[in-house]
Amino acid sequence: QVQLQQSGPGLVKPSQTLSLTCAISGDSVSTNSAAWNWVRQSPSRGLEWLGRTYYRSRWYDDYAESLKGRITITPDTSKNQISLHLNSVTPDDTAVYYCAREFLGRGFDSWGQGTLVTGSS
Amino acid sequence: IQLTQSPSSLSTSVGDRVTITCRASQGISGFLAWYQQKPGKAPKLLIYAASTLQSGVPPRFSGSGSGTDFTLTISSLQPEDFATYYCQQVNSHPYTFGQGTKLEIK
Repeated sequence: QVQLQQSGPGLVKPSQTLSLTCAISGDSVSTNSAAWNWVRQSPSRGLEWLGRTYYRSRWYDDYAESLKGRITITPDTSKNQISLHLNSVTPDDTAVYYCAREFLGRGFDSWGQGTLVTGSS
Repeated sequence: IQLTQSPSSLSTSVGDRVTITCRASQGISGFLAWYQQKPGKAPKLLIYAASTLQSGVPPRFSGSGSGTDFTLTISSLQPEDFATYYCQQVNSHPYTFGQGTKLEIK
């Protein structure tokens, strides 16, 4: 059974960087069968896909167009986890952030517990 | 690709048959998933590939559709089914979600 455990601060000052980690158990971050995603949810935006990383003989990543230049998603094979970094945070980035596994293109079948991140001083 | 769900909310009763629709702004073949979300929890995958039930999901849930029009049906609503439901297209990036349908107790 795949489990995703998120960690990271819940408060980020404006202009600083939001950093979250998602530890994976029950699967490998390097698997060829899955992609590892970040999604956020807020009352104003609903569910919003942020980006993903995945391994297919080499590492790939994709990002939401609206966040390109601010977002980085990186794998850590030694710790079997992924990380999200979102810089230049504003109050508009306030949301619950989730990591999620996409398995064989079937949608997101495993999710982290969610982290409420508030962009505020 | 924009996804439009209807209705946005629905007052229903235990035992009712419920149908939620999801319309895509362009064709997505059968690349649609449905999720259930309860307050304070992450979404839970119910159906993928428009009509395939995720392992462990009760058979009262079913999905259908292809192209631009999809439906999620709950054949006989149970107390634990009162939640918000979302569709998601996984045809092309960026993956997008519908705005949600909230089932409330009548």
